[in-house]
Formats: sequence, structure tokens, C-alpha cells
Amino acid sequence: SQQGEEDPQALSIQEGENATMNCSYKTSINNLQWYRQNSGRGLVHLILIRSNEREKHSGRLRVTLDTSKKSSSLLITASRAADTASYFCATKNSGNTPLVFGKGTRLSVIA
Amino acid sequence: DTAVSQTPKYLVTQMGNDKSIKCEQNLGHDTMYWYKQDSKKFLKIMFSYNNKELIINETVPNRFSPKSPDKAHLNLHINSLELGDSAVYFCASSQDLAGQETQYFGPGTRLLVL
Repeated sequence: SQQGEEDPQALSIQEGENATMNCSYKTSINNLQWYRQNSGRGLVHLILIRSNEREKHSGRLRVTLDTSKKSSSLLITASRAADTASYFCATKNSGNTPLVFGKGTRLSVIA
Repeated sequence: DTAVSQTPKYLVTQMGNDKSIKCEQNLGHDTMYWYKQDSKKFLKIMFSYNNKELIINETVPNRFSPKSPDKAHLNLHINSLELGDSAVYFCASSQDLAGQETQYFGPGTRLLVL
């Protein structure tokens, strides 16, 4: 299975601290995407990183991709209470294969 | 304006009933999807459609039948509902056929089968 696996399953930090979530996958990919899901809501796209890219930034978010280790990390700097959510990585092969989601990391940011 | 909308938001029904969930996107996207998220938050693709044509059908029981009257709409009809169908169902859309790009998700429909 190509399914991504996030680590840790749950993470609790204080506001202002950095949060790091990891994602590992099994097969070669075209791209890897990170999504956020607030409680009771739909998923919101955060960042897409392609297989030929190693790092991308978006505001307080930094994503890295290591295709040799088949892993990615999402770093949220200077976390806020509003960052409390579940974070999912999703991997995409080439062609008409589906986007495959991991089980998510539940992040709690305590004010 | 809501980009991807679903109705209803909540659906409580008895086992054996037939129900439908509707999805509409106003993003002009060509591809739409249905996902199922179980109680452990695991999100799994069910179907994808491109310009009203079925592209992906991920071993979903025949009781689930998607219908796409046009590329902005993808509805999901479920026959003979079972307890295990209880979950949150998400509709999503993306611009491209291969789903290489960002997917935009609806707010979800919470289905509870009693």
C-alpha cells in the first residue's frame, strides 16, 4: 500500500512552540500534499511538494521531502491555538491513481 | 461563496433505507471525488469522476452509486443502508484529470445509520 503514515498520532504543545509532524510512505510518488482538518470540518489544502522538490515554505509552514527515505515533514513555527487541528499527508502516484491519505496527526496547541 | 458544497450536512436514518447526498462545486473544476472518513479519521477515496465520466471506483459495494449530471455536480446514492455505512462523507474537486493538483473539499455529510 502506498498509504502515508503520520507520526506522531497526537501532539500537544504550548502556544509559540514549533510543531513537527512526519509522514512516511512506501512507493514512489509524483507529489505529496499536506492538508489540515479542523474538528467537524472538511480538509483544507496546505502545501503540495513535488517529487523533484526538497523543501517548500508557506507562511509559518515548512515542508521537506526526502524521496530516498520516502518521508516528509511538516513544521509549523510559532504555533497558535488556531493551529489546533488534524494534519494529513497525502501521496499521489502518476496517472489516474487516487490521492492516498495517511491517518493524520492530531495537533493540540494550548494557549 | 462556498466552493464545494454538500447537502445534507447531517443524515440520520434507519438501516435498510435508501438515501442520497448531493455535491456541487462552483470552481469550474473537471474532476470530482467522493471520500469516506471513518470514526478513526481514516480518509479513503470511493469514486472520482472527470467531466461526468467515472475514472476511479475503489472497490465500493454496489449499493453505492454515484451520479454526475454535469461536471459541477456529483451525487451519491446509497441503497439498503447498513450500520457500517455510518461515517462522514466528503466531496472534493480538482482542476485536473490525474488529480495531480490541490483538491478542494466540501464540509462533509455526517451519516448515522441506526
